[in-house]
Amino acid sequence: QSALTQPASVSGSPGQSITISCAGTNSDIGAYDYVSWYQQHPGKVPKLMIYDVNNRPSGVSNRFSGSKSGNTAFLTISGLQADDEADYYCSAHTSGTTLGIFGGGTKLTVL
Amino acid sequence: EVQLVETGGGLVQPGGSLRLSCEASGFPLVDFNMNWVRQAPGRGLEWVSYISSAGTRKYADSVRGRFTISRDNAKNSLWLQVNSLTTEDTAVYYCARGVPSTISGWYFDLWGRGTLVSVFS
Repeated sequence: QSALTQPASVSGSPGQSITISCAGTNSDIGAYDYVSWYQQHPGKVPKLMIYDVNNRPSGVSNRFSGSKSGNTAFLTISGLQADDEADYYCSAHTSGTTLGIFGGGTKLTVL
Repeated sequence: EVQLVETGGGLVQPGGSLRLSCEASGFPLVDFNMNWVRQAPGRGLEWVSYISSAGTRKYADSVRGRFTISRDNAKNSLWLQVNSLTTEDTAVYYCARGVPSTISGWYFDLWGRGTLVSVFS
């Protein structure tokens, strides 16, 4: 099963908003509301930022939000801060031969 | 403290085997589905394997038939037996807590620091 498709990189200035897309199929993102997003700083462990499309775990800033339209999920970060610079990965449950897949990752640069 | 700690990684030749371990603390393992996720050097995350609280197992296509996941809820421990290793299996292997066993979903809310498996030819 192919990975979910994310842009390799996005960038924005402090205070701006950015959106990262995650394209899947009707066997994963389009079939279930089980999409999650992870933030990973260099050399660090991934951190759960969004689960079940648009839910934030306790302790995650409300500047992070998630949504879904058809077979594509989105992560929006508003009020960009320097510490938001990291790699972001989406993941989804799938009905294929495997149970779940990740996107290839998006590197966010805060200019 | 709620945490996951992986051990068992190392250097191995192609065709070799390792047994990765993950010890959970601060929460009852029996209450959660568990996963292994790996990350090759400089690459993205790849889901590897899943085991439900009751023992149902799932694998990524890339490892099915070579890797075996297991758990012992009484010991709060998770394992991944990795066999027939190739250079493509070189990665940091993370133990990752999945959703509670009583609900449906797909996310990983607690990660260990990982253990490095290096397959060299």
